[in-house]
Amino acid sequence: QKEVEQDPGPLSVPEGAIVSLNCTYSNSAFQYFMWYRQYSRKGPELLMYTYSSGNKEDGRFTAQVDKSSKYISLFIRDSQPSDSATYLCAMSGGSNYKLTFGKGTLLTVNP
Amino acid sequence: EAQVTQNPRYLITVTGKKLTVTCSQNMNHEYMSWYRQDPGLGLRQIYYSMNVEVTDKGDVPEGYKVSRKEKRNFPLILESPSPNQTSLYFCASSLRLPNTEAFFGQGTRLTVV
Repeated sequence: QKEVEQDPGPLSVPEGAIVSLNCTYSNSAFQYFMWYRQYSRKGPELLMYTYSSGNKEDGRFTAQVDKSSKYISLFIRDSQPSDSATYLCAMSGGSNYKLTFGKGTLLTVNP
Repeated sequence: EAQVTQNPRYLITVTGKKLTVTCSQNMNHEYMSWYRQDPGLGLRQIYYSMNVEVTDKGDVPEGYKVSRKEKRNFPLILESPSPNQTSLYFCASSLRLPNTEAFFGQGTRLTVV
C-alpha cells in the first residue's frame, strides 16, 4: 500500500464550481498535512497546511484533515481559471519530518 | 526577494559525464532537500539536509551525491549520469522542522542521452 494516494485526475470543472481534491494515507506518524499548487513549468508553492485533525480556511480554500479515516481534502470555492494547476498533497511526521507527496491532481477550470 | 535558485534550468548531457546542479537559498533556512519529479511517480525525495554538514538519504538516493558546506547552498552531484536519471529536479528549503512550509526552486530539467 502506498503511503499517500491521490487521484491524478484530470479534473475539469466550469468556472465558479466547487472543487474537491482528496488524498488518503497509511502512515499514522503523519502529523502535518499540506497542499501545494504547481503551475506548469514551475516549482510547487505552498497553499496551506494543517496540524493534526480539523479544518482550516484561507479565502476560497478550505483544508480538512480526518486522522481517524486517514483522509485529507482541499475544497476550492468559486473556482477561477487561474486555479488551473496541479494540486499536490503532502504530509510529514516521524523522526525526520520528510515530506511525502501524493502524485498530484491536474485541475482545469474552464471559463 | 526570498527565493530558492537552481542552475541550470535546462541541461542535456551524455551518459557518464559528471554534472552538478546548484541550489542556493537566501532565507537562512536550515532544512534543504532535493526531489525528482517523474510522470506517474510524483515528487520523490533524493537527499535532504537538516543543517550544515548534516545530510541523509531520501527515497531515491542511488546515483546522486550532495554536500552542505554552507547553509545557503546544497548542490546535487551526478557523478556518472545515466538515462534513467532524466527527470525534472527540484530543490527545496524550509526554515526548520517540522518542515511545513517548503519553498521550491524553479526546477532543472535534465536529459541524459
